[in-house]
Amino acid sequence: DAGVTQSPTHLIKTRGQQVTLRCSPKSGHDTVSWYQQALGQGPQFIFQYYEEEERQRGNFPDRFSGHQFPNYSSELNVNALLLGDSALYLCASSTPGSGYEKLFFGSGTQLSVL
Amino acid sequence: DQQVKQNSPSLSVQEGRISILNCDYTNSMFDYFLWYKKYPAEGPTFLISISSIKDKNEDGRFTVFLNKSAKHLSLHIVPSQPGDSAVYFCAAYTSGTYKYIFGTGTRLKVLA
Repeated sequence: DAGVTQSPTHLIKTRGQQVTLRCSPKSGHDTVSWYQQALGQGPQFIFQYYEEEERQRGNFPDRFSGHQFPNYSSELNVNALLLGDSALYLCASSTPGSGYEKLFFGSGTQLSVL
Repeated sequence: DQQVKQNSPSLSVQEGRISILNCDYTNSMFDYFLWYKKYPAEGPTFLISISSIKDKNEDGRFTVFLNKSAKHLSLHIVPSQPGDSAVYFCAAYTSGTYKYIFGTGTRLKVLA
């Protein structure tokens, strides 16, 4: 059973460029969340997609956008990259349950903005 | 404003002894608390959770204690093993918000 897969694993971009990160959820999961983990920090919630809609959004600018496809896979797009966008981007999948949603994380995409 | 805090960036413990990792929070609306473990080059993996209506939850070598009045939780690992060496994140969740608030993590090193 494949877990959460993310691509690419590493990416180097220049300020002002745009980037697309991809995520395939764990089999049986229909919900995808994206988190940003800066160096020395904990993961910070960007947004969550469910039924191809953004269900919740964290405190990130509109430069961060996403999409969920009918097969539940998801993309994270970041426009007009800033140096401060350099971070590990984690995708997590889940399925609704009672109480909290247990997140299953991928290994992440390490984005470096030069 | 950091709603979940892990004030110890690192902790070293001898193999076989107890590891205690601490977490403080400020938002009384959190109704679940979770611990995730992260190895290098891997995503965080779920370890154990506790509901805000409980004060203790145990799973094998791992026990989480919640003190609501102090807004404090702790993770106990007994006995500690070298394979437990990882970064541990405390996370808090409010039902219906669909998002976790993570602490900054504590790097645990278990010495053989």
